[in-house]
Amino acid sequence: NAGVTQTPKFQVLKTGQSMTLQCAQDMNHEYMSWYRQDPGMGLRLIHYSVGAGITDQGEVPNGYNVSRSTTEDFPLRLLSAAPSQTSVYFCASSYAPGTGLIRADTQYFGPGTRLTVL
Amino acid sequence: GNSVTQMEGPVTLSEEAFLTINCTYTATGYPSLFWYVQYPGEGLQLLLKATKADDKGSNKGFEATYRKETTSFHLEKGSVQVSDSAVYFCALSRRGNTPLVFGKGTRLSVIA
Repeated sequence: NAGVTQTPKFQVLKTGQSMTLQCAQDMNHEYMSWYRQDPGMGLRLIHYSVGAGITDQGEVPNGYNVSRSTTEDFPLRLLSAAPSQTSVYFCASSYAPGTGLIRADTQYFGPGTRLTVL
Repeated sequence: GNSVTQMEGPVTLSEEAFLTINCTYTATGYPSLFWYVQYPGEGLQLLLKATKADDKGSNKGFEATYRKETTSFHLEKGSVQVSDSAVYFCALSRRGNTPLVFGKGTRLSVIA
């Protein structure tokens, strides 16, 4: 198992450029999420998905789009990059027990993408 | 709403010292509680967890007990090592379609 993989590891963008951060997992996890980590702010949730075709906003969704067409992949799109989006981005996934109560438990994190917007 | 408060860092300790990192939470119902650790340059990984009151999670010499009466989940280790230097995050999750809520993290530095 590769676990959760993220590409690229590093990226530099100019203001206004767009790009997609890739995230994939091979554990058949239903739940996937994107966080950004900034100094002194901890991790803040951007978007999350409880299964293919279902996404929802987190704490800081503005400026980001997501889609979930397959169980394995959960890309994060920056439509028009801004310096305020300079951050380290983490993707995570977790098992969602099939009890009808989907629960964000024991999340597995990718290694992160360090993004700088000039 | 749901929230997690953990002690501000950084925390600097000598090797073999006792470690406590405080974590308190606010949540309705009965959340699960977690400690995640982030080593330099890496993503987060689960350190330990507890899913109900009075449960004790433990791993790699670290322990934390779920105290519902004080809404706390403090992380402890009896003798820290240089290799424990990392950022530690307390987190909670509730039943239902709700994501993890993280504290802001506490940076631990252990010096030889």
